[in-house]
Amino acid sequence: AAGVIQSPRHLIKEKRETATLKCYPIPRHDTVYWYQQGPGQDPQFLISFYEKMQSDKGSIPDRFSAQQFSDYHSELNMSSLELGDSALYFCASSLRGEDTQYFGPGTRLTVL
Amino acid sequence: GESVGLHLPTLSVQEGDNSIINCAYSNSASDYFIWYKQESGKGPQFIIDIRSNMDKRQGQRVTVLLNKTVKHLSLQIAATQPGDSAVYFCAENNAGNMLTFGGGTRLMVKP
Repeated sequence: AAGVIQSPRHLIKEKRETATLKCYPIPRHDTVYWYQQGPGQDPQFLISFYEKMQSDKGSIPDRFSAQQFSDYHSELNMSSLELGDSALYFCASSLRGEDTQYFGPGTRLTVL
Repeated sequence: GESVGLHLPTLSVQEGDNSIINCAYSNSASDYFIWYKQESGKGPQFIIDIRSNMDKRQGQRVTVLLNKTVKHLSLQIAATQPGDSAVYFCAENNAGNMLTFGGGTRLMVKP
């Protein structure tokens, strides 16, 4: 079965640079969620979208923004990168009305 | 804020034995709970879920128990196999479908 696709899988950036992470949800899924997982930590909810509208907002820094497009894919834009932004970034998707979120393989962001 | 947490950070079991991973949650209003398995370098993989109107749910080799009185979840894995070695997270689904994860437990299966 098709799963959530994330790209790139690995990304290395310098401090103060920008990064864009992409997420392609499971076909027919209309809701996407972004999570950040620091080393040895739990995934932390950042933001979610349903039908291109922001649905919920968690601990997402002001330097980050995200959007969902008409084909339901989503992009997480990160600016003025800091060393502390180094983490795994997961996207999850679900079908509206269903609680189960299915996670992608993640993007490992390293900020040098 | 309210959070979900785990009692044991590492659990080591012998292959073939049963494993029990525990989790405490603090948001009594949560009505949906999920267990995820995360292997190194991979995303959390859905294992099993349970709603607050249930006490027990069984899957293939896995059982989730929910005790709402003491706000406790457990994941039981029968006949643990080496492939079960991973970090296991419980998560609660609050209003708005934000998942709040608990601290993971690393399960190590000894052959």
